[in-house]
Amino acid sequence: DAGITQSPRHKVTETGTPVTLRCHQTENHRYMYWYRQDPGHGLRLIHYSYGVKDTDKGEVSDGYSVSRSKTEDFLLTLESATSSQTSVYFCATGLSGTGYEQYFGPGTRLTVT
Amino acid sequence: GQQVMQIPQYQHVQEGEDFTTYCNSSTTLSNIQWYKQRPGGHPVFLIQLVKSGEVKKQKRLTFQFGEAKKNSSLHITATQTTDVGTYFCAGWGGGADGLTFGKGTHLIIQP
Repeated sequence: DAGITQSPRHKVTETGTPVTLRCHQTENHRYMYWYRQDPGHGLRLIHYSYGVKDTDKGEVSDGYSVSRSKTEDFLLTLESATSSQTSVYFCATGLSGTGYEQYFGPGTRLTVT
Repeated sequence: GQQVMQIPQYQHVQEGEDFTTYCNSSTTLSNIQWYKQRPGGHPVFLIQLVKSGEVKKQKRLTFQFGEAKKNSSLHITATQTTDVGTYFCAGWGGGADGLTFGKGTHLIIQP
């Protein structure tokens, strides 16, 4: 895969606390994405980035914010975690536009208690 | 918005049997992609189809894109235990929006 790492890989946090997930890539891909995966829902796009400091909302962006200060890093922040945000979060990157081949990271399993 | 439906949700097969999953979009697609996710793993890109009626093969896997560019299928011939996982289709409508993923078909193989 495209040299994508995510940290942490597992996290348990309490309702109301802020959480930041990190995605790091070494492939110099322009596009980066955050998805969540839940049983029965498949993969849903939260936010994506099409360049440094250029981001846009996806299908399920409420309660999430993102930042991209460097090409290689894309951060996902849950300002005040809720139980409904318990999920597996995948970062992905792409060389071409938003409708093209994407490479996924290993995922972060987040549990909000 | 664009919707991508995928069936079946689960498919149990005996090892050596064939398997097919189907994907249908509510709108015409610019392209459709297929991904595989092994249990506990992450989605891995398999292939992209762009042209109307396109058929592509990867060893025992055959991918088709419908003539109207609204549906697609993935067929696996003579399944093996290594084929276990969830197969997702993902369609792109061609605009600024990204991929819309189907909910996936879970392939379970009984030896």
